[in-house]
Amino acid sequence: DAGITQSPRHKVTETGTPVTLRCHQTENHRYMYWYRQDPGHGLRLIHYSYGVKDTDKGEVSDGYSVSRSKTEDFLLTLESATSSQTSVYFCAISESGALSGDSPLHFGNGTRLTVT
Amino acid sequence: GDSVTQMEGPVTLSEEAFLTINCTYTATGYPSLFWYVQYPGEGLQLLLKATKADDKGSNKGFEATYRKETTSFHLEKGSVQVSDSAVYFCALSLTTDSWGKLQFGSGTQVVVTP
Repeated sequence: DAGITQSPRHKVTETGTPVTLRCHQTENHRYMYWYRQDPGHGLRLIHYSYGVKDTDKGEVSDGYSVSRSKTEDFLLTLESATSSQTSVYFCAISESGALSGDSPLHFGNGTRLTVT
Repeated sequence: GDSVTQMEGPVTLSEEAFLTINCTYTATGYPSLFWYVQYPGEGLQLLLKATKADDKGSNKGFEATYRKETTSFHLEKGSVQVSDSAVYFCALSLTTDSWGKLQFGSGTQVVVTP
């Protein structure tokens, strides 16, 4: 299994509070991604990173920010949590951005976030 | 935009039955196609992939053929086991996209009973 650790695994927080989720990898892969998983929607991309300090928005980035100060860590911050951000969040990594090759996405085990 | 549509679940079947999960796609370019599987409490794992038309991906008894004429990538397995119970996701990635972004379908839950 790819070395991806997400923390925390579970979190309950109140509306309006900031929350930071952490993804840590030991594979030294360049590309990292944050997805959210919701029933009926599959997985949707929030933000991604193609190198240290290089990040960009995905399709559902509103209300989220990210930072990547080191290759191994990719942080996702909910600036002011809302109930609509209750979800399961997955981090993924890839050695190469060319997924048509032999570099698939590897996923962490997810963080279940509940916003009350 | 690019999208993936897969059949809704849950799909419930008995052990040793034949499984088909339909997946169709819309893409402006020439996508690579993937099937991922998610077991309870875990992240997604790549099951198989195909990178061009008529390619067949296969793994663990599962197969899927990239059909450009019908824009489909249906997943099949001839004889399922209880351990195949999981959620299956179809996904695509454009070869013109160098950032590795995947577009996922909504997932199909499969339940195999003894």
